[in-house]
Amino acid sequence: DGGITQSPKYLFRKEGQNVTLSCEQNLNHDAMYWYRQDPGQGLRLIYYSQIVNDFQKGDIAEGYSVSREKKESFPLTVTSAQKNPTAFYLCASHKTGSNQPQHFGDGTRLSIL
Amino acid sequence: SQKIEQNSEALNIQEGKTATLTCNYTNYSPAYLQWYRQDPGRGPVFLLLIRENEKEKRKERLKVTFDTTLKQSLFHITASQPADSATYLCAPGELSFGAGTTVTVRA
Repeated sequence: DGGITQSPKYLFRKEGQNVTLSCEQNLNHDAMYWYRQDPGQGLRLIYYSQIVNDFQKGDIAEGYSVSREKKESFPLTVTSAQKNPTAFYLCASHKTGSNQPQHFGDGTRLSIL
Repeated sequence: SQKIEQNSEALNIQEGKTATLTCNYTNYSPAYLQWYRQDPGRGPVFLLLIRENEKEKRKERLKVTFDTTLKQSLFHITASQPADSATYLCAPGELSFGAGTTVTVRA
């Protein structure tokens, strides 16, 4: 079955440490997205990529970085510059073209040690 | 800036009743609006998409309306079941999501 796989499901970060969240899709979708979800808030867009080797900042990109070297993969690095990283991180992909829904992974929950 | 409001964070209803969820948005005019279901600890799952030229859309026990003048969508779950208990997110357009309404259906 096609889908999106996020790993790990739980991740802990120490002070001053960078951590990388994995997102892989086998849906052959061109566009991929990273969102952050905090309790009581809507999903907030961190970064998105519509094509390999290109990506754009979303609303809350500070303290995060991404790469898109392969169509299937869109890893997110939470850097030490992100002072409040504790959240639920969701990766999604999207078939380009109008009126197409996003497909989400099952998320990574990041906490500070 | 864009703003999305979904009615009350939580909705508790009796099995068999209809749940009605509201999504209001401001400061933009999306060509379509989507509804997703999210279970605890899981990613959202797409349910329905309604376009700006459609007034109503149905899928099994789900019904969505879209009023572009009022900038509002209503999401109805008819003959609700305990398995419908989840958080429902509205998404006007492509990249913006509401905070969600958590529905609990009591047996």
